[in-house]
Amino acid sequence: GESVGLHLPTLSVQEGDNSIINCAYSNSASDYFIWYKQESGKGPQFIIDIRSNMDKRQGQRVTVLLNKTVKHLSLQIAATQPGDSAVYFCAENSGGSNYKLTFGKGTLLTVNP
Amino acid sequence: EAEVAQSPRYKITEKSQAVAFWCDPISGHATLYWYRQILGQGPELLVQFQDESVVDDSQLPKDRFSAERLKGVDSTLKIQPAELGDSAMYLCASSIKLLGTSVYNEQFFGPGTRLTVL
Repeated sequence: GESVGLHLPTLSVQEGDNSIINCAYSNSASDYFIWYKQESGKGPQFIIDIRSNMDKRQGQRVTVLLNKTVKHLSLQIAATQPGDSAVYFCAENSGGSNYKLTFGKGTLLTVNP
Repeated sequence: EAEVAQSPRYKITEKSQAVAFWCDPISGHATLYWYRQILGQGPELLVQFQDESVVDDSQLPKDRFSAERLKGVDSTLKIQPAELGDSAMYLCASSIKLLGTSVYNEQFFGPGTRLTVL
């Protein structure tokens, strides 16, 4: 079946550096994508989203890039802070207007002080 | 700040026993989701409710899992009998999305119930 996956399971960066987390998706019909952050012992928390008619969207310190040609999604975190340490998941909408989310496996981001 | 509540936070049980998890969504949220998250993986949708009706339960193992949302507010997920492979985090999420609209409304997740089956 079609799925959402991540290239890198772990990422370690120094505080203040920029982080890039990547995600590959295989469902060409997906029209909406979300990045979630999950801290230990907590549920996933929405970070930023993007629709398939866009290729870039910016938030506060975060940017999501979408490349539909190669079915690739990335999350960029500027000036990474220790509080950014968590597992990051990308998710795609596979349910049309019901918004059924399919999550990838996650990348563990560790920020070293 | 309104949050999704779940209980218990942790549950240890022996295989073949019955377990139940409870979720109270954010007030006014019509849509409620139950997810299962195996350690190291992303959440997997088990069941989606719109008010008291099931919208999607295609991934729910119906031979042992059941879910209800009788009054369209809080919800219970039950497993009977529990198996070793059911050990996971069970997450509840809610959103204000109304069925039939094309606008995505953010899913807010609860802290989850960590189930260990011995």
